[in-house]
Amino acid sequence: DAGVIQSPRHEVTEMGQEVTLRCKPISGHNSLFWYRQTMMRGLELLIYFNNNVPIDDSGMPEDRFSAKMPNASFSTLKIQPSEPRDSAVYFCASCPVGQGTGELFFGEGSRLTVL
Amino acid sequence: AQSVTQLGSHVSVSEGALVLLRCNYSSSVPPYLFWYVQYPNQGLQLLLKYTTGATLVKGINGFEAEFKKSETSFHLTKPSAHMSDAAEYFCAVSDKGNKLVFGAGTILRVKS
Repeated sequence: DAGVIQSPRHEVTEMGQEVTLRCKPISGHNSLFWYRQTMMRGLELLIYFNNNVPIDDSGMPEDRFSAKMPNASFSTLKIQPSEPRDSAVYFCASCPVGQGTGELFFGEGSRLTVL
Repeated sequence: AQSVTQLGSHVSVSEGALVLLRCNYSSSVPPYLFWYVQYPNQGLQLLLKYTTGATLVKGINGFEAEFKKSETSFHLTKPSAHMSDAAEYFCAVSDKGNKLVFGAGTILRVKS
């Protein structure tokens, strides 16, 4: 079975440009999470969805960040405009809703570099 | 609020030696506790978890961890390190949901 699929794997862009990261969760998994990983701050939960509905976006750093989940098989994380401090690896993870066991399935990440 | 502290950002052991990675947590409710492993350029994968019941839990690749409520600890151990264990290890806590709070991570180096 395919795991969580993220694209692009690597993105290099210039400050001020819009960045869109994409995620396809595992089929049947109705909870989806976006994490950001940096050396300075470690792994931070940005936002998570249950059944396509955003449940907790308290980790979204500022209005430049937005996330959507238009259907059960696709989510996007958008940064507009991007800044150098947004450089990080962004992970998407999924799990079945209501499982409550904490076993998240992670994608391989999207490494973003903002120049 | 929940939090996790991992003692030691880097741990180095010789091949065949005991691996001990330390994790202490803070939680206002009985926690669920987890260890995840991240290999270079990959996402995290679950090593083991404690939810309820037996406090000594066994995971993949010979790792185990013991939940000690009195010490608010959940240290990860493996009796004999293998070169393939070199990776970054994350301890995490949740309040019985799927929203995890991760520690800062510990990079394990295995020397031959």
